[in-house]
Amino acid sequence: EAGVTQFPSHSVIEKGQTVTLRCDPISGHDNLYWYRRVMGKEIKFLLHFVKESKQDESGMPNNRFLAERTGGTYSTLKVQPAELEDSGVYFCASSQAGSRGEAFFGQGTRLTVV
Amino acid sequence: AQSVTQLDSQVPVFEEAPVELRCNYSSSVSVYLFWYVQYPNQGLQLLLKYLSGSTLVKGINGFEAEFNKSQTSFHLRKPSVHISDTAEYFCAVSEVRGGGNKLTFGTGTQLKVEL
Repeated sequence: EAGVTQFPSHSVIEKGQTVTLRCDPISGHDNLYWYRRVMGKEIKFLLHFVKESKQDESGMPNNRFLAERTGGTYSTLKVQPAELEDSGVYFCASSQAGSRGEAFFGQGTRLTVV
Repeated sequence: AQSVTQLDSQVPVFEEAPVELRCNYSSSVSVYLFWYVQYPNQGLQLLLKYLSGSTLVKGINGFEAEFNKSQTSFHLRKPSVHISDTAEYFCAVSEVRGGGNKLTFGTGTQLKVEL
């Protein structure tokens, strides 16, 4: 069974550019989460999809971040325009309906804004 | 809201020695507790979890943790570590009711096992 897949694994962009991160969850997992870790700090929640619906986006930093989940399958997280403080590792995680925090994580996308 | 504190950012230990990674949490509601591990160049992997029942939980790779409600702690232990245990360990909580099961993480503890 394939795990959670994220790409790209690394991205280096200039301030002001746009970047789109993609996450393919485990097939059949209704829950999809995005998290971010800024260097040296804790991993922070960004948002939660249940199927194609945004359940909770309380962690999104600002309106430069846009997340979508097409047809309840893969998800994209777009940052437009990127700022220096957006640098960090973005993790995607998925879980089955009824799970209580046990999630499967992808390897993460390391985003560097220069 | 919840918060998780991992006081030790780095823990060096010799191979075959015991180790304890500390985790304390704060929450106004009941929570589930987790330890995740991130090996170099990999994603986070669930190590163990406390949902209910026995306060001593066992996980993969010989790790165990004990939930102490009065001290709001969930320390991770292993009696004898191996080089392959070198990784970053994250303590996390999620709300028992509501919250969508999103995780609140600590800042992580880097375990470095030396020969």
